[in-house]
Amino acid sequence: GDSVTQMEGPVTLSEEAFLTINCTYTATGYPSLFWYVQYPGEGLQLLLKATKADDKGSNKGFEATYRKETTSFHLEKGSVQVSDSAVYFCALKDNDMRFGAGTRLTVKP
Amino acid sequence: EAGVAQSPRYKIIEKRQSVAFWCNPISGHATLYWYQQILGQGPKLLIQFQNNGVVDDSQLPKDRFSAERLKGVDSTLKIQPAKLEDSAVYLCASSSTQGGGMNTGELFFGEGSRLTVL
Repeated sequence: GDSVTQMEGPVTLSEEAFLTINCTYTATGYPSLFWYVQYPGEGLQLLLKATKADDKGSNKGFEATYRKETTSFHLEKGSVQVSDSAVYFCALKDNDMRFGAGTRLTVKP
Repeated sequence: EAGVAQSPRYKIIEKRQSVAFWCNPISGHATLYWYQQILGQGPKLLIQFQNNGVVDDSQLPKDRFSAERLKGVDSTLKIQPAKLEDSAVYLCASSSTQGGGMNTGELFFGEGSRLTVL
């Protein structure tokens, strides 16, 4: 069945460092791809999405490109801030939404 | 616009007891989901409703878990009897449906109901 694999954490970075969180997927159809974020003490919220191959989703300085040839949707940000500390979940949606295990990011001042 | 509402936020019970969680989705959202999120893991889909019909309940442990959405709006998830491994956060989410029955994709989540089974 459809599934998502994302890099294990935790990830600890200094402020202004470059961030990459890898995500690959397996799907039989043509899913939409998402990154959700869960800030401490809050619920899951959508960070960005891409609905077809070569689409780039972006929000709050984060970007991810839907790469069908490599079945990937890696999350990147050029300069992280302390406020980006959260758990990030990669997800795909075909008939239903399936999530990866999550990657905890801690950004230190 | 009001978000997805869930209650209770926290529940502690002993094993073999029963518990029920309630969810009120965003107004007008036809699709409702229940997810189980065990500490340190991603959310796992338990059941998906489209209006008041079940679309997918393949991962719902039907010997102890049940869910209903009688009028296509609110939903309840029940666990009876609870086991220690049911300790988790139970997330409710909803999404809208465009014309033709296609989901827009984005799920809107509630804050979750944290269950501790002792």
